[in-house]
Amino acid sequence: EAGVTQFPSHSVIEKGQTVTLRCDPISGHDNLYWYRRVMGKEIKFLLHFVKESKQDESGMPNNRFLAERTGGTYSTLKVQPAELEDSGVYFCASSQVGVRRSYTFGSGTRLTVV
Amino acid sequence: AQKITQTQPGMFVQEKEAVTLDCTYDTSDQSYGLFWYKQPSSGEMIFLIYQGSYDEQNATEGRYSLNFQKARKSANLVISASQLGDSAMYFCAMREGVGTSYGKLTFGQGTILTVHP
Repeated sequence: EAGVTQFPSHSVIEKGQTVTLRCDPISGHDNLYWYRRVMGKEIKFLLHFVKESKQDESGMPNNRFLAERTGGTYSTLKVQPAELEDSGVYFCASSQVGVRRSYTFGSGTRLTVV
Repeated sequence: AQKITQTQPGMFVQEKEAVTLDCTYDTSDQSYGLFWYKQPSSGEMIFLIYQGSYDEQNATEGRYSLNFQKARKSANLVISASQLGDSAMYFCAMREGVGTSYGKLTFGQGTILTVHP
């Protein structure tokens, strides 16, 4: 089966611009998660979708971040306007409902805000 | 709040030897899951091994085993017969057990493992 796909793999934008990251989960995985790793720090949870609903968005840093998952398939994470501290690697993961050990991660999007 | 601690920023091991990467956790939940992921320089996160809080046996997956000591709240990863390709960042993570829609993972800081020939 195809894995979790994220794109772009790299993005370099200027402060104040908008960037949209996309994640395509494994087909049939209703759970979708976004995480972020800022340079030198641990990986932090951003939010969790179950199908198209936001189950937990407690990790979203501020209202410059907007996540959507239309139709319960792919998800987008928009940063508008981007700030320097938003630089880092953004990971997406998906899992099946009821399968306790299954979290498959994508390869991440490395975002650099200059 | 859940917390994962990896106290070894970096570890070195000789090829073909075994190495243990430490992980301690803190949670008030009775039901939880513990994970180890490998992140090579290419950046992807590769699942290695899983241990459920109610699992009586320590988990094993090929050369990877998890030394689960529940009373001490530790979940150390043991890699046997290290290979050069094992050089990577290793993350320990914990998941809250909440019904069928399992929740977020909380990660440790990571340990960089370097395998010497």
